[in-house]
Amino acid sequence: QKEVEQDPGPLSVPEGAIVSLNCTYSNSAFQYFMWYRQYSRKGPELLMYTYSSGNKEDGRFTAQVDKSSKYISLFIRDSQPSDSATYLCAMSGVSGSARQLTFGSGTQLTVLP
Amino acid sequence: ETGVTQTPRHLVMGMTNKKSLKCEQHLGHNAMYWYKQSAKKPLELMFVYSLEERVENNSVPSRFSPECPNSSHLFLHLHTLQPEDSALYLCASSRRADDEKLFFGSGTQLSVL
Repeated sequence: QKEVEQDPGPLSVPEGAIVSLNCTYSNSAFQYFMWYRQYSRKGPELLMYTYSSGNKEDGRFTAQVDKSSKYISLFIRDSQPSDSATYLCAMSGVSGSARQLTFGSGTQLTVLP
Repeated sequence: ETGVTQTPRHLVMGMTNKKSLKCEQHLGHNAMYWYKQSAKKPLELMFVYSLEERVENNSVPSRFSPECPNSSHLFLHLHTLQPEDSALYLCASSRRADDEKLFFGSGTQLSVL
């Protein structure tokens, strides 16, 4: 079993839809949770960062962490064609170091105009 | 120029060639990283440098040789690569080696023939 599981998609939604992207993990020591967005032919960019459980909102994006279920989600409201990208979840343990970051394999999202 | 810059953007090389990938960061960060990104697979951490000292080598074959002459520049020297080494090679930086927030370059798409 992979340490972090992420549905690769591809996921296609119409413009304006609510998008839900998810990752499950097996390591209960994970404390820091991140979502990166990667446009085609670009490197990943940090989109959302959360520590421990709970929700964090930033504009149209909401990151949700449920440590009891070992499940994290990224919600995109009023999705736009510019949101079309691959979304990577990443997480690390107590040290919070990038050296211990474990990434998901990414979900490819297309928002259709 | 800002952020993390990688050159070249694309590279095609034969198995007997020697080439180098270059990365430069303009963020004043003290840690730099090399990652390998293959299709449908999670990012794989290859090397970590902190203040020009290598602090991590994730069992990477010796045909990959990193060099960090100063905290702003990172190189990956390649020789006698295999076709399975074809991938997107991403450079990243963070403020410190214990900081989990990474800033990525756009990557070098490498094809080994």
